[in-house]
Amino acid sequence: QVQLVESGGGVVQPGGSLRLSCAASGFTFSSYGMHWVRQAPGKGLEWVAFIRYDGSNKYYADSVKGRFTISRDNSKNTLYLQMNSLRAEDTAVYYCAKGDTVTWGQGTLVTVSS
Amino acid sequence: EIVMTQSPATLSVSPGERATLSCRASQSVSSNLAWYQQKPGQAPRLLIYGASTRATGIPARFSGSGSGTEFTLTISSLQSEDFAVYYCQQYNNWPRSFGQGTKLEIK
Repeated sequence: QVQLVESGGGVVQPGGSLRLSCAASGFTFSSYGMHWVRQAPGKGLEWVAFIRYDGSNKYYADSVKGRFTISRDNSKNTLYLQMNSLRAEDTAVYYCAKGDTVTWGQGTLVTVSS
Repeated sequence: EIVMTQSPATLSVSPGERATLSCRASQSVSSNLAWYQQKPGQAPRLLIYGASTRATGIPARFSGSGSGTEFTLTISSLQSEDFAVYYCQQYNNWPRSFGQGTKLEIK
């Protein structure tokens, strides 16, 4: 079945870095664009970033532009989110989602705190 | 950036009744509008895309309408499992943007 599994979350200090991964299975990963979406505790959904199926184009929310980088390795069926210069307001559950947003992962929690 | 505004923030409805949720875009998004349902501790679930097309497996009691800047999600006869938070999202422009959500609660 179609599945997305995020990993890499944890506790990091302000100004630190973290890389999230999203392992895809059950579909042709290299044919689909992929999203990252986040949700701060008790808050709504915030779209973070998108990468086209071949990595040719990337789009970011203004709130993360210049600090976060989305990438993918189609040979490993894996999506990444490199997060640098982390701030307290980046604390959230981070979800990866298939381009058509039908399939989502279960999310991974990132906590930015000293 | 397109700002999506949902109303009301909270809607109290009795089981079996109809619920109507609204979403407004700050500029036209054509019909590139999706609705999601989210329950506590779960990932969002796609309900509607293209403003009015139900996603696979979504019951017929869910319907979407609208285009341009005004959109509506209607749940015709509320079941216990429908009480959740609902989000609209535009996918006409980058960056994508979600509404702040409507919490549908049992009256």
